This record gives sequence, C-alpha cells and structure tokens, in this order.
Amino acid sequence: AQTVTQSQPEMSVQEAETVTLSCTYDTSESDYYLFWYKQPPSRQMILVIRQEAYKQQNATENRFSVNFQKAAKSFSLKISDSQLGDAAMYFCVLSGSRLTFGEGTQLTVNP
Amino acid sequence: SQTIHQWPATLVQPVGSPLSLECTVEGTSNPNLYWYRQAAGRGLQLLFYSVGIGQISSEVPQNLSASRPQDRQFILSSKKLLLSDSGFYLCASPGGGSTDTQYFGPGTRLTVL
Repeated sequence: AQTVTQSQPEMSVQEAETVTLSCTYDTSESDYYLFWYKQPPSRQMILVIRQEAYKQQNATENRFSVNFQKAAKSFSLKISDSQLGDAAMYFCVLSGSRLTFGEGTQLTVNP
Repeated sequence: SQTIHQWPATLVQPVGSPLSLECTVEGTSNPNLYWYRQAAGRGLQLLFYSVGIGQISSEVPQNLSASRPQDRQFILSSKKLLLSDSGFYLCASPGGGSTDTQYFGPGTRLTVL
C-alpha cells in the first residue's frame, strides 16, 4: 500500500520570505511520480509542481522547487519570495498505480 | 488543453433523496475520468474511475455509484443519500501530455441534511 505523510498540519511565513513544506512517502513501486497540489479557499485543486521518480534533478517552477530524496522517500516543497496568493492548503501526492494524497499543510502568508 | 466542468457547484439535499452530479470534459477524447471526495480540510479519497464508456471501477464500497454514458461525461449518483455523503466532490482527468498528472474540475459541494 502507498502512504503519504505530511507532518505539518499548519505553517506560516512572512510575505517575501521562504518556507519549506515537508512530505514523506512510502511505496513498493519503482516507477512513480510525485506532485504538490495547492487548494486555495475556492477549493479548486491546482497543480503546483511535478517530479518523476526516475529523474535525479529536482523540479522547479518559478518560485516553487522541490527537494526530492528518493532513498529517504522525502519530497519537500520550497516556496521562495512568498506571496499573499500562496496562502492555501498544500497536498503532497504520490502517483503509482493510483493517486495517494497526504492530509495537507495549511499555509498562511502574513503581510 | 482540456477543461473539466462540474455541475452543480453546490447542492443541499435531504437524507434519503437521490443524487446526480455531472462531470464533462472538453478538449480531449477517451479520457480516463475519476471521482474523488474530500471531507472538510482533508485529503482526497478516490471513489470511482473510468477508462472508457460503460467501464467503471469502484474503489470504496459505499452508497454511491458512477456511470459513463458518453466518452466525455461522468456521472456520480446515489439512490438515497446519507448524512455521511456530505463533502466536496471533485472530478479529475489526466492532461494530454502525461497520464500520471491529474487535473481537477472546480468541484461540487454537497451538504446532506
């Protein structure tokens, strides 16, 4: 069975600062993908960033980057230059035979 | 690129009443389609998925059913709603470039009273 653990139910960051959201996972599959999705108050689920497990290079998307440690089964999300619009629930997601969601981290951005 | 529509956006129904939620997809053909449910402030639970017309796989035994009458239409139904059916229902489909990346519709908020 696949599991995803987000150990930080809530995080806060000052506007323009950097914040890192943690995620660990477990899977027996060798070929899988990892994602971070963002869910703002509108509850629309929005893809933030995607990482293929076979790639060693960490994915980046503008101010968002990941630290993917395959041996440690760790997949953290770093948000640089945080903006008020980054405030949302962030979900770490594992895709193997199916999507498995973590329980989410609620990020607050303080002005 | 594909667009996922869901209808209705919000719904309040009494216990014991029937349910029909609709998901339609534009911009792609023969998509894999998924229904998820999200309890308040929590992660998503996969309910059903479909790889084609009339093909439905159920992930969790429950009070709900799904149907796919057309290639780009996915219906979530119930004959008699329970209080525990309340939640936020999301339809999803992979993007055209990767079957592993799922994109979500805007969701339906269901409240059963």
